[in-house]
Amino acid sequence: DTEVTQTPKHLVMGMTNKKSLKCEQHMGHRAMYWYKQKAKKPPELMFVYSYEKLSINESVPSRFSPECPNSSLLNLHLHALQPEDSALYLCASSPTDLDSQSYGYTFGSGTRLTVV
Amino acid sequence: GDSVTQMEGPVTLSEEAFLTINCTYTATGYPSLFWYVQYPGEGLQLLLKATKADDKGSNKGFEATYRKETTSFHLEKGSVQVSDSAVYFCALSGSGGTSYGKLTFGQGTILTVHP
Repeated sequence: DTEVTQTPKHLVMGMTNKKSLKCEQHMGHRAMYWYKQKAKKPPELMFVYSYEKLSINESVPSRFSPECPNSSLLNLHLHALQPEDSALYLCASSPTDLDSQSYGYTFGSGTRLTVV
Repeated sequence: GDSVTQMEGPVTLSEEAFLTINCTYTATGYPSLFWYVQYPGEGLQLLLKATKADDKGSNKGFEATYRKETTSFHLEKGSVQVSDSAVYFCALSGSGGTSYGKLTFGQGTILTVHP
């Protein structure tokens, strides 16, 4: 299995809702990432997990809350989002965060989030 | 900090034309360089990579050579197809300090290939 699977593929939520995005990989990778991509822009790094511990938070607002329950699963909990948070949210993984320098990342297909 | 600059698009070509998308970078140390492709409505796929100077990455007819002297990693393909229509991102993974292992992306180049 060489895939990163993200669910749901599409999500519409109100500004008072709480929702979660899910990301799963079974490649044995120990580094996992959340990226945000606005239309016609490159992805922007949000969070990095290394061996299930949060290692990088790129000053992301607290309405985004990541969680890594085990080495295969990464969640992004959403609460009180704003319309400007509407974007494609991409999950990625690499063997380790150090190996990503030579390996690169494997990306999922993303969750397209619309906040209304 | 690290940065990647890609040629501005969009790029529009006829099928079987030659493709070049320019990419230059600024980084400390010895970064690795990547090209990712994003098809409409999808995530990013790794197209090719090079981890040291003079390495050539290649995949699906695409090639790019890591040129340290010109800090470049230009993407080329000899004969494009309609199915190559996508957004192409040049990226680097830094080797120094806080940039280690983090991907820095260029702005992306939209390629459209007409029959």
